[in-house]
Amino acid sequence: DVKVTQSSRYLVKRTGEKVFLECVQDMDHENMFWYRQDPGLGLRLIYFSYDVKMKEKGDIPEGYSVSREKKERFSLILESASTNQTSMYLCASSPTTDSQTEAFFGQGTRLTVV
Amino acid sequence: GQNIDQPTEMTATEGAIVQINCTYQTSGFNGLFWYQQHAGEAPTFLSYNVLDGLEEKGRFSSFLSRSKGYSYLLLKELQMKDSASYLCAVMDSNYQLIWGAGTKLIIKP
Repeated sequence: DVKVTQSSRYLVKRTGEKVFLECVQDMDHENMFWYRQDPGLGLRLIYFSYDVKMKEKGDIPEGYSVSREKKERFSLILESASTNQTSMYLCASSPTTDSQTEAFFGQGTRLTVV
Repeated sequence: GQNIDQPTEMTATEGAIVQINCTYQTSGFNGLFWYQQHAGEAPTFLSYNVLDGLEEKGRFSSFLSRSKGYSYLLLKELQMKDSASYLCAVMDSNYQLIWGAGTKLIIKP
């Protein structure tokens, strides 16, 4: 059974803190993605990675960075958390960039910045 | 710009049929996906269309018209467990997924 696991379901952090969100997939997928999901908006892509040590900016990268040191792990970093980063964060992976490839999602991390 | 439109919320009755529409304007087209997302959970894949026509998968069917930039998801014999949000996503010419905001489907007994 395919699995994408995010390290936390719920997190509460203070403004200015450095926050790490971890994501691990066990499917040997090449591609990994970080999205945020807010009410009334579609999933918005923050960063993605097509290979180890490779990263590309998505639509809303400001205030975030990522790390992919190993194929199975993709970390999202909030350098200095702010209240407008309160959101649901979803990690996803897919095998290739082939158009027929579905993405598999983790269960999400609901982050609250106070 | 790129845009995916779908209704915010729909209500239907258990046992009935409901059609959720999705219209899109994107730079290129490499397929359209439908995902289901129960409250507080991860989205899960439902269907993929890249050619015009209807794809049937059990109680769920998905239709695509590329010339009209239009798709719908058809759910038959609705069950209470079908209460969820349904997300439409289009893969553009760069193989990036563009997501709609989702349609919250409420099923009433």
